[in-house]
Amino acid sequence: ETGVTQTPRHLVMGMTNKKSLKCEQHLGHNAMYWYKQSAKKPLELMFVYNFKEQTENNSVPSRFSPECPNSSHLFLHLHTLQPEDSALYLCASSQDRQGLTEQYFGPGTRLTVT
Amino acid sequence: GQNIDQPTEMTATEGAIVQINCTYQTSGFNGLFWYQQHAGEAPTFLSYNVLDGLEEKGRFSSFLSRSKGYSYLLLKELQMKDSASYLCAVSFGGYQKVTFGTGTKLQVIP
Repeated sequence: ETGVTQTPRHLVMGMTNKKSLKCEQHLGHNAMYWYKQSAKKPLELMFVYNFKEQTENNSVPSRFSPECPNSSHLFLHLHTLQPEDSALYLCASSQDRQGLTEQYFGPGTRLTVT
Repeated sequence: GQNIDQPTEMTATEGAIVQINCTYQTSGFNGLFWYQQHAGEAPTFLSYNVLDGLEEKGRFSSFLSRSKGYSYLLLKELQMKDSASYLCAVSFGGYQKVTFGTGTKLQVIP
């Protein structure tokens, strides 16, 4: 247990569906992140939030829409996804900006787009 | 952006010592992280190096040479549970952006 939880752990969705991933951190951290992890590729940073404000969007397609209502919760809304979006989606948090302190990762959501 | 290189796979024997190398571009470098990720699990933090030299933490040590753009993770007295992927991640730039390498999958054999 890292103090970061994610739901659901597994998700199968069709290309026309709309779904949301949820992340919650119980560590009192100020920054939260979404990453995509595909086989044989490095972790890809998608979005960064500091104190609920989005500070980075790494050229992510608009079919991925993040939401951060407070410092403890982070959502990733999914719609009209493509099969190549199938991957492990990891949420992480850190006390400060990502380069200054270590990140704590959730267990991830294994997403399959059919 | 950053280009981080680490070996894709390594195999080592239980009880032995293994060194996992990581090289990166030195421009804008702030610091370097190592994470461990067991199959099907989340990455977990191992170490953070900012200054040159060796940081020791139990069986794990991490070394950094800022001028050479080089780091290694040293695992001593290997145990079967050390079989995992080891991710090198570099913080660079004024906003301390972090970029991850592809990871080194370590297999520990009896």
